[in-house]
Amino acid sequence: DTEVTQTPKHLVMGMTNKKSLKCEQHMGHRAMYWYKQKAKKPPELMFVYSYEKLSINESVPSRFSPECPNSSLLNLHLHALQPEDSALYLCASSQDPGQLETQYFGPGTRLLVL
Amino acid sequence: GQNIDQPTEMTATEGAIVQINCTYQTSGFNGLFWYQQHAGEAPTFLSYNVLDGLEEKGRFSSFLSRSKGYSYLLLKELQMKDSASYLCAVRGGATNKLIFGTGTLLAVQP
Repeated sequence: DTEVTQTPKHLVMGMTNKKSLKCEQHMGHRAMYWYKQKAKKPPELMFVYSYEKLSINESVPSRFSPECPNSSLLNLHLHALQPEDSALYLCASSQDPGQLETQYFGPGTRLLVL
Repeated sequence: GQNIDQPTEMTATEGAIVQINCTYQTSGFNGLFWYQQHAGEAPTFLSYNVLDGLEEKGRFSSFLSRSKGYSYLLLKELQMKDSASYLCAVRGGATNKLIFGTGTLLAVQP
């Protein structure tokens, strides 16, 4: 089973709203990732969690706040977003961040900020 | 830094073979990945190369030459459902993160 699940599938929010994206995997993977993908562009790495600790933050604005409550769950808290933050947000996981492991992606959350 | 180049678009005929090339420059190479992404969907893993040579997986094969910074994805017996974007991604650099190329949009025609 190589399934990564994400909820919600679609999200529309205003610039003053607070919302959260959720990601879950039950493959025993110890690395989890958030990517942002704009239309017709490749995924861009935002955050990496390694063994439930934040290991990489790609200079992402503080209006995006990641959280890893346990080894299976990854959240992305959103607050005071801008319209340019509208994108597909992808979660991925891999067995071990330090090794040459394949990343498996979830279906993504399509976010629209009005 | 890392730099990945692949053609923007390609067109091929159903039943034919197509080769999608990828060239890259990176420090600390730790593997090259190919992903398929249909419009509006998540990338799905196709193949992974870390050593030179050809990896075959059904209708899909991927080749790597580390000395040339070059890879290709070979798709055989093309089907209409193979119409998608194909992303070349390289893992490396100081943080060992995965960097994606801009993708090659493949259109399979009848």
